[in-house]
Amino acid sequence: QQQVKQSPQSLIVQKGGISIINCAYENTAFDYFPWYQQFPGKGPALLIAIRPDVSEKKEGRFTISFNKSAKQFSLHIMDSQPGDSATYFCAALTQGGSEKLVFGKGTKLTVNP
Amino acid sequence: NAGVMQNPRHLVRRRGQEARLRCSPMKGHSHVYWYRQLPEEGLKFMVYLQKENIIDESGMPKERFSAEFPKEGPSILRIQQVVRGDSAAYFCASRNELGGLRAFFGQGTRLTVV
Repeated sequence: QQQVKQSPQSLIVQKGGISIINCAYENTAFDYFPWYQQFPGKGPALLIAIRPDVSEKKEGRFTISFNKSAKQFSLHIMDSQPGDSATYFCAALTQGGSEKLVFGKGTKLTVNP
Repeated sequence: NAGVMQNPRHLVRRRGQEARLRCSPMKGHSHVYWYRQLPEEGLKFMVYLQKENIIDESGMPKERFSAEFPKEGPSILRIQQVVRGDSAAYFCASRNELGGLRAFFGQGTRLTVV
């Protein structure tokens, strides 16, 4: 059972456009929701994260929107650039205990020049 | 300040051989996680260790896989009698007690079983 569902699987955007990636979760015990960026041959790197007591968090061109009642959250990349081309993973964890990350399956983003 | 170091970066093993993957956490980090990434899939949790202790191994296959994080030296993920289905990228992440929830990932070891 996929605890964190991510869509779309792939996304092509023109330079300057907005990239939107969506995730939905099942487990209401999740209380921390990070997004990771992964380039080919590299490990995932934390991009931005949000806690469920906040509905939106913005860092530069990256924004997370969070809808607790719908158990959904999304990543928006404004003014997308070719350098943003990578695979993006949403994740979730429960604080306390082992705090292991549960990942979505990833979205491969391609930003065309 | 070096990041999380994993080696080897690439490992090729024949079916039935053993694979040993090493992870040196960031300096000052005493928590280590191992994740496995199959092609076109997200990362899946395998095991969580603190120095000399396995805290959570709920994601580890019951047979052939083991992990350790000794008092001195790197964490080791060991896969005995590898099979083709073990081919994947294995990532290690580390964090410290005070670093909140941020875990830093290594670059991974790509295991290919032929």
